[in-house]
Amino acid sequence: DQQVKQNSPSLSVQEGRISILNCDYTNSMFDYFLWYKKYPAEGPTFLISISSIKDKNEDGRFTVFLNKSAKHLSLHIVPSQPGDSAVYFCAASELSNYQLIWGAGTKLIIKP
Amino acid sequence: EAGVVQSPRYKIIEKKQPVAFWCNPISGHNTLYWYLQNLGQGPELLIRYENEEAVDDSQLPKDRFSAERLKGVDSTLKIQPAELGDSAVYLCASSFPGARNEQFFGPGTRLTVL
Repeated sequence: DQQVKQNSPSLSVQEGRISILNCDYTNSMFDYFLWYKKYPAEGPTFLISISSIKDKNEDGRFTVFLNKSAKHLSLHIVPSQPGDSAVYFCAASELSNYQLIWGAGTKLIIKP
Repeated sequence: EAGVVQSPRYKIIEKKQPVAFWCNPISGHNTLYWYLQNLGQGPELLIRYENEEAVDDSQLPKDRFSAERLKGVDSTLKIQPAELGDSAVYLCASSFPGARNEQFFGPGTRLTVL
């Protein structure tokens, strides 16, 4: 039973346009959500996070939106750059629980 | 600042053989994690250490997997004997204590069991 789902295995976006990556979750106890980025042959690197008390968190070109009623979050990248081409993982955890539950990832390809 | 170091980067073994992976976390990070990542999936936690104590090993297959973190710094993950289904990437991560602290990942060890 997948508690965190990323239903798009891949996404292709033109350079300079907006990239939107989506993530759905089923566990209503999740209260903290993270996005990680992974290049080939490297480990994941933290990108941005959001607590359930917020519905938006922004860091430069990256914005994460959280819709608790829909159990849905999305990562927006504006504008998309070639270096953004990577696999993006959504992860979630419950309060005071160290365990991160990860989605399967979405491969983002930025076209020049 | 040096990141999380893992070795080896790649390992190919025959089934039923033992294998060990080593991890050196970021200096000062008391919390250490071992994850398994299968192709096309996200990482799955195997074990979490706080200093030298394994505080969450509920998902570690203890019949063949073992781990240690002597002196609360470096850690070793061992599989004995390896099975075909163990082929995966084994990731080590570290963080400061606290459930909300960012986890820093090493590059992983890609294991192939033939």
